[in-house]
Amino acid sequence: QVQLVESGGGVVQPGRSLRLSCAASGFTFSNSAMHWVRQAPGKGLEWVAVLWFDGSNEYYADSVKGRFTISRDNSKNTLSLQMNSLRAEDTAVYYCARDLAAAGIGDFWGQGTLVTVSS
Amino acid sequence: EIVMTQSPATLSVSPGERATLSCRASQSVSSNLAWYQQKPGQAPRLLMYRASTRATGIPARFSGSGSGTEFTLTISGLQSEDFAVYFCQQYNNWPPYTFGQGTKLEIK
Repeated sequence: QVQLVESGGGVVQPGRSLRLSCAASGFTFSNSAMHWVRQAPGKGLEWVAVLWFDGSNEYYADSVKGRFTISRDNSKNTLSLQMNSLRAEDTAVYYCARDLAAAGIGDFWGQGTLVTVSS
Repeated sequence: EIVMTQSPATLSVSPGERATLSCRASQSVSSNLAWYQQKPGQAPRLLMYRASTRATGIPARFSGSGSGTEFTLTISGLQSEDFAVYFCQQYNNWPPYTFGQGTKLEIK
């Protein structure tokens, strides 16, 4: 069955960096675009970034552009999110999600990893 | 950026009844609209895409309609497991993909 398992969250000081990972299994990872979506505590969903199945294209929300980098290793079925210059407003649960047919639809989501940016 | 607005923020409905949730886009998104369900402490689950196509494994009591800027998610014969928060999302004009703020469906 499809599984997405995020890791790498934790407490980090403002201005520091953190790298999240998402381990995928149960499907052909190299055929799927992948997203990161975040949810601040008690708030709604905010799309963060998407990466094409082959890594050829990547797009970001304005709120993270220039600070976050999405990447993937199709040989290891792993998606990553490098987060630099973290701010308090980046505090959220970060979900990775598989894209349905490269349409921008998250058809399967991991359980998320919590990132807390605080001094 | 397309702004998605959901109403109401909270909807109280009795089990067995029908719930109607609304989602409005600030400009046309054609039929490129998805609905997700999220229960406390869980990840979102895809319910509907292309406005009215049920995702794999979603029961027939869930139905979606609309196009352009106005969309509706209807849940008929509410069951206990349906009480959750529901989000709409447009994927017509991106980046960014944008979500509504959510509707909490609670037991009356």
